[in-house]
Amino acid sequence: QITLKESGPALVKPTQTLTLTCTFSGFSLSTSGVGVGWIRQPPGKALEWLALIYWYDDKRYTPSLMSRLTITKDTSKNQVVLTMTNMDPVDTATYYCARAGIVAAGYYFDYWGQGTLVTVSS
Amino acid sequence: EIVLTQSPGTLSLSPGERATLSCRASQSVSSNDLAWYQQKPGQAPRLLIYGASSTATGIPDRFSGSGSGTDFSLTISRLEPEDFAVYYCQQYGSSLATFGQGTRLEIK
Repeated sequence: QITLKESGPALVKPTQTLTLTCTFSGFSLSTSGVGVGWIRQPPGKALEWLALIYWYDDKRYTPSLMSRLTITKDTSKNQVVLTMTNMDPVDTATYYCARAGIVAAGYYFDYWGQGTLVTVSS
Repeated sequence: EIVLTQSPGTLSLSPGERATLSCRASQSVSSNDLAWYQQKPGQAPRLLIYGASSTATGIPDRFSGSGSGTDFSLTISRLEPEDFAVYYCQQYGSSLATFGQGTRLEIK
C-alpha cells in the first residue's frame, strides 16, 4: 500500500522560509522510474505544480518560483523535503506531495498525500 | 511552458447523462502525455487517466480519455452521483508539468 503524508507548519510569517516534509511508504525513491513532486492549491483555485525530484536525484522546478524553491530527498528515511523562501500571503495554499510515475522526462501523479494547509500571515 | 485551457468552466448535467470535458494545449503535447484528475471537496486529486487514454487502476470504465496533439477530452459515459466534482488535466510531455484551470461538473 502506497501512502504519502505532508508535514510542516500550518502558519508562517511573511518573509519566512517554509519547510515541508513528505514522508512516504510502499515504494522506494531509489527505484528507477519513480519521482516525488509537490503541488499546491490556493483556496478555491486550481492546482499548481511546484517541483519534482527524480529517483536519480535530478530536480525540476516551476519557472516562476525556481529562485525560491529547493527540493531534496533522503532515500533512507523515505522523505522528500521542499523549502520555499521569502513566503508571502499569496503563497497561502494547501500543499500536496505526490508520487510521480516517470515517462521519459515527464511525469504524472498516481498517489497523493492528503495535503497540508499553510497560511502566510503576520 | 505549455498552457492548458479547460472548457467549459462549469458543466451542469443530471445523473445518467454523458459528460464531455475539453482540455486544449497551447502547443502540441509530445507522445500524448496528458493526464486527468478528479478532485472532490476537501480531498486530494485522484488520477483517472494517463497517456491521454489509459485508465488508472481502480477507475470505473465509464471514464475514458481521448485526443492527441493539442486537443484532448475526458468523457464520462453515464454520470453517477459521485462523479460530480472538479476535473483537471495535466500535461507531462516536458519535464515541466502544467495543470489546466479545472472544470467543475455540477448537478443540474
